[in-house]
Amino acid sequence: DVKVTQSSRYLVKRTGEKVFLECVQDMDHENMFWYRQDPGLGLRLIYFSYDVKMKEKGDIPEGYSVSREKKERFSLILESASTNQTSMYLCASTDQSSGSYNEQFFGPGTRLTVL
Amino acid sequence: AQTVTQSQPEMSVQEAETVTLSCTYDTSESDYYLFWYKQPPSRQMILVIRQEAYKQQNATENRFSVNFQKAAKSFSLKISDSQLGDAAMYFCAYRKIIQGAQKLVFGQGTRLTINP
Repeated sequence: DVKVTQSSRYLVKRTGEKVFLECVQDMDHENMFWYRQDPGLGLRLIYFSYDVKMKEKGDIPEGYSVSREKKERFSLILESASTNQTSMYLCASTDQSSGSYNEQFFGPGTRLTVL
Repeated sequence: AQTVTQSQPEMSVQEAETVTLSCTYDTSESDYYLFWYKQPPSRQMILVIRQEAYKQQNATENRFSVNFQKAAKSFSLKISDSQLGDAAMYFCAYRKIIQGAQKLVFGQGTRLTINP
């Protein structure tokens, strides 16, 4: 089974702190994604990566950065956490697209609270 | 731009009955994929069913089926014989490809409650 794991299920940080959210997948997937999930807004894409050291901005990248030094690991970084970044963060991964559909597999999520 | 709209924030159904969740989308593409994902409470998001736009036949997975109306850009999910384990957030999603990566655009979600 594909497994996508996230470093923490719950995290509480203070405004201004630097926050790292880690995601690891064990299926050698090329593509990895970070979403945030908010009530009434669904999931919105923050950043994605289609290869090691490659990254692309999603729909809401402001206030975030990412790092992908190894294929299996994709990190989301909040340089200076703010209260409006309190949210559920979901990581996902998938095979490289070959024209047909490749399912996105999701991690369990990290619920981040910024005080 | 592709958008996905779920107009029902919450739905409830009696156990063993049938419920339909609505989804509409907007796209200028002719070939695309649509999905329904399920997020149970405190558990991981999983794929329920997918539909390829070029296929006229509606997709079915056991008790889950879709009503895909391409001209109307409508993609509803029908759950038959509802079970307590079906209680979850359900997200409709559209796939688009950027830089060779499959990006999903999600709707706002519908919270489904199953009444025993």
